[in-house]
Amino acid sequence: GAGVSQSPSNKVTEKGKDVELRCDPISGHTALYWYRQSLGQGLEFLIYFQGNSAPDKSGLPSDRFSAERTGGSVSTLTIQRTQQEDSAVYLCASSLGGGQGSTEAFFGQGTRLTVV
Amino acid sequence: AQSVTQLGSHVSVSEGALVLLRCNYSSSVPPYLFWYVQYPNQGLQLLLKYTTGATLVKGINGFEAEFKKSETSFHLTKPSAHMSDAAEYFCAVSVRSGTYKYIFGTGTRLKVLA
Repeated sequence: GAGVSQSPSNKVTEKGKDVELRCDPISGHTALYWYRQSLGQGLEFLIYFQGNSAPDKSGLPSDRFSAERTGGSVSTLTIQRTQQEDSAVYLCASSLGGGQGSTEAFFGQGTRLTVV
Repeated sequence: AQSVTQLGSHVSVSEGALVLLRCNYSSSVPPYLFWYVQYPNQGLQLLLKYTTGATLVKGINGFEAEFKKSETSFHLTKPSAHMSDAAEYFCAVSVRSGTYKYIFGTGTRLKVLA
């Protein structure tokens, strides 16, 4: 596709359930990022994939959060046993990567997660 | 470690007035700097970026920013605000070594008054 695609756009789930959020990056982009945006907060870094390297998971808030990236393309962010504080907009971004920190990240529209 | 500070979580300006959104960064190595805009219920869109070379960077929609190394600042300006500029603006930093994750500021919500 032309841009970063995220699905679903909205997700309402019950506390304690698991959720999966999907991100389809721009073709050819080797770097993929997940961020969380809570109401009134900035963008909180969660995890970063660069090519075949081990992901940078330093931003994941707890072991209930995990992410994978299959075949260097599509990524899935999984939140297990969701809590109300997990309610936020989850943004995915991709960039050319490959050591090119000067290139910008392109963002998807986000998934709005509401835990009730 | 690199970080970004945006002064003022909310800024209001009158239509036609100067827009000034402040961003200061901390980085132990020369940074790459970015400004993004987020319109309601949308993702982030790049306004402009500084990598190397000219310190005054021009972006889309009439915005520009100046990299001032001595002040560790990268403030965003626009000479004349338009109603359509109402949005949230984020400053971000990336670095040339180590990881390339983008570190974002907490954002500034710009309100434009008629």
